Amino acid sequence: TQLLEQSPQFLSIQEGENLTVYCNSSSVFSSLQWYRQEPGEGPVLLVTVVTGGEVKKLKRLTFQFGDARKDSSLHITAAQPGDTGLYLCAGQYNQGGKLIFGQGTELSVKP
Amino acid sequence: DARVTQTPRHKVTEMGQEVTMRCQPILGHNTVFWYRQTMMQGLELLAYFRNRAPLDDSGMPKDRFSAEMPDATLATLKIQPSEPRDSAVYFCASGLVHQPQHFGDGTRLSIL
Repeated sequence: TQLLEQSPQFLSIQEGENLTVYCNSSSVFSSLQWYRQEPGEGPVLLVTVVTGGEVKKLKRLTFQFGDARKDSSLHITAAQPGDTGLYLCAGQYNQGGKLIFGQGTELSVKP
Repeated sequence: DARVTQTPRHKVTEMGQEVTMRCQPILGHNTVFWYRQTMMQGLELLAYFRNRAPLDDSGMPKDRFSAEMPDATLATLKIQPSEPRDSAVYFCASGLVHQPQHFGDGTRLSIL
């Protein structure tokens, strides 16, 4: 049983399109993190959201934490080929504790 | 930039052999995590340490896996004996309680 369900698992789009990745759970997390992973490398943290309803922006990326702190979304505006990679959401029950990862979304942005 | 260093980056060996993976956490980080990534299961936590003491190893098969921190600059993950189903990428991450985890680039393990 996956505690964090990510969707879609695969996404192939054209440069300039918008996309949204979803991360859903029945559990309440104290924080939720989004990572990006490239082939042959470890995940790199993009953002941490901690407050229900919180919205954070990182250039063309917008992250939202659900009001109940059970779900999150990542929206990318005007995707570019450099956005290609594996996007992972991860929930944490307490600060400094273990991360529960979703299965990931493999994004491919074609020029 | 400080980085988590994992060695070896790649390991191919035959089933039944002992495998040792090493991790050098970022200096000053007091929490070290071991994760395993496969296509089927994604990223799963195997074990983690704080101030060198094991806090949670519930994700680790106890009969063949062992994790230790001989000192604050080295964490090890051993598999003995190894099996083909252990083939995966093993990641180490380090951090502080109120700071995010930093991941190494992993050890890609293939058991033939």
